[in-house]
Amino acid sequence: QKEVEQNSGPLSVPEGAIASLNCTYSDRGSQSFFWYRQYSGKSPELIMSIYSNGDKEDGRFTAQLNKASQYVSLLIRDSQPSDSATYLCAPYNQGGKLIFGQGTELSVKP
Amino acid sequence: GVSQNPRHKITKRGQNVTFRCDPISEHNRLYWYRQTLGQGPEFLIYFQGTGAADDSGLPNDRFFAVRPEGSVSTLKIQRTQQEDSAVYLCASSLVQGGNEQYFGPGTRLTVT
Repeated sequence: QKEVEQNSGPLSVPEGAIASLNCTYSDRGSQSFFWYRQYSGKSPELIMSIYSNGDKEDGRFTAQLNKASQYVSLLIRDSQPSDSATYLCAPYNQGGKLIFGQGTELSVKP
Repeated sequence: GVSQNPRHKITKRGQNVTFRCDPISEHNRLYWYRQTLGQGPEFLIYFQGTGAADDSGLPNDRFFAVRPEGSVSTLKIQRTQQEDSAVYLCASSLVQGGNEQYFGPGTRLTVT
């Protein structure tokens, strides 16, 4: 079992739709969770962090965390073509390092 | 932000390379990751202050990194091999808070 699993995609959604990105993790000691966006040829950019069960909203982005199910998700409302990128999930367990999933490629079609 | 140089490095197999990372000034933790095409970043090593707190991700003894004054770090790869070709990413964070890590632009290494 991989430590962090994400659907590799590509996930294709029409402009204006909601994009739903999912991530499961194996380390029950994980306490913080981060979502990074990575455009092709660029480095990862931190877009969301979530530390407790439930939802956290920031603009068009909502992160959802369920520690009992070891599941974290990212919803992007009103998707725009500029949201087309790879989204990386990364749990953190106080050990210092982030363990990344392979990422989900999102394509938003105009 | 975090700065890295060089941005690109092409080298021949067997040569040594050195990469530099300048973290965000108030950040006391510095991380090195590497990323290959289609994969998420893979942890290599991180520093808290001047010391390596976790170097469990270094693949072999050809890789080593230092942070002598607790700020700038260098990652060195000796006797490069083709499988070392990757993007080497540096990130930094504060110990306090949620350890949100911010990445530099990366150094793309191509070993021919």
